[in-house]
Formats: sequence, structure tokens, C-alpha cells
Amino acid sequence: DVKVTQSSRYLVKRTGEKVFLECVQDMDHENMFWYRQDPGLGLRLIYFSYDVKMKEKGDIPEGYSVSREKKERFSLILESASTNQTSMYLCASSFANSANLGTQYFGPGTRLTVL
Amino acid sequence: DQQVKQNSPSLSVQEGRISILNCDYTNSMFDYFLWYKKYPAEGPTFLISISSIKDKNEDGRFTVFLNKSAKHLSLHIVPSQPGDSAVYFCAASEEGYQKVTFGTGTKLQVIP
Repeated sequence: DVKVTQSSRYLVKRTGEKVFLECVQDMDHENMFWYRQDPGLGLRLIYFSYDVKMKEKGDIPEGYSVSREKKERFSLILESASTNQTSMYLCASSFANSANLGTQYFGPGTRLTVL
Repeated sequence: DQQVKQNSPSLSVQEGRISILNCDYTNSMFDYFLWYKKYPAEGPTFLISISSIKDKNEDGRFTVFLNKSAKHLSLHIVPSQPGDSAVYFCAASEEGYQKVTFGTGTKLQVIP
């Protein structure tokens, strides 16, 4: 079974704090993604990575950065957390160039609250 | 600009009846479409997909229909079961691109 794990299920931080969200996958997937889910807005892509040390901006990268030093691990960083970054954060991974391109496996999510 | 739209935020259906979830897209370059299902406090899980070379794909109780000329796809669940109650996301991707664009989701409630 594919497993994608996220470091925390719930997180509460203060405005201005630096926040790290960690994601690990055990399926040797090339691609990894970070999304946020907000009511009425669905899943929006923040950043994705198709290889170690490679990253590409998604639809809403502002206020975020990412790091991928190892194939299995993809980190999302909020340099200075703000209240509008309160959200559910979802990590996902997938194979590259597969017949089922686009089939992603998701972690359970991290509910981040910024006070 | 929302390229994948699910105009119904919620849907209620009686157990045993058909559930029809709809999705529209605007990007004519999309050629692969997926449906994901999400329970509360869990990540989305892949449900079913369809390539643009087909107009129908069936997997058990789930069937996805694609109408390319109308840029519309739908997910049919027959018969609906209480365990199908979840949020359903439509998603689409372009050939050669690794990323997927998701819709806003439809919350399905199947009433026993």
C-alpha cells in the first residue's frame, strides 16, 4: 500500500512564526505536491516537485517555499505565518510518466491554525 | 480563473438511487480526467479516471461519462450507499504536464 505521511495532523502557530510542514512517501514516487483546501475553493496547488532539488510554483505560491533534499521527503515552509494561511494542507505524490498520469496519493492532511 | 468547475456544492440522494455529480472544464488542452473522493479528516483517494479518447469508463457502481464537445464530465453512482457520503473532487490534467487541476468539490449525502 502506498503511504504518504504528514508530520502533524493539527498545528497551531502564531502570526509571524516560521512553520515547517513535512511530508514523506514510501513509494519511490518522482512527483510530490503541496495543496491547500479551503471551503468553496477546493484543492489549490501551492508547489510541486518532479525530482530531488527541483520545484515549480503552483497556482498560489505566495507566502510559501518548499524544499526537496531527498526523493521521499517534501517540505512546505511558511516563512512568516499569517492568519490567511489558516487552512488544511494536503501533501500528495505520484509516479511520473505513468499510464495513469495524474493519479496522486494523498496524505491525511495537516490542519493549520494561525492565530 | 477556475478551469475546473463543480457548480453544485452539495447533493442529497436516497440510498439505492442514482447519484449524478457534474463537472465542467474550460481548458481544451485537458485530456485526462479523474474523480477523487474525500472523507472528513482524511486525504482524497483516487476513485476513477477517463482519457479523452473515451466517452465512458465504468468500475463497479461508478461510471464516468465525458462529453468533450460540451467540456463536461459526470460521475454516476448506482446504487448509492450511505458509505458513499463524502466530498467528490473532479480533476483534470494535460498530456505532458505532471500537475492536476482540481475542482471545488461536491458534498454528497446519501440518506438511508
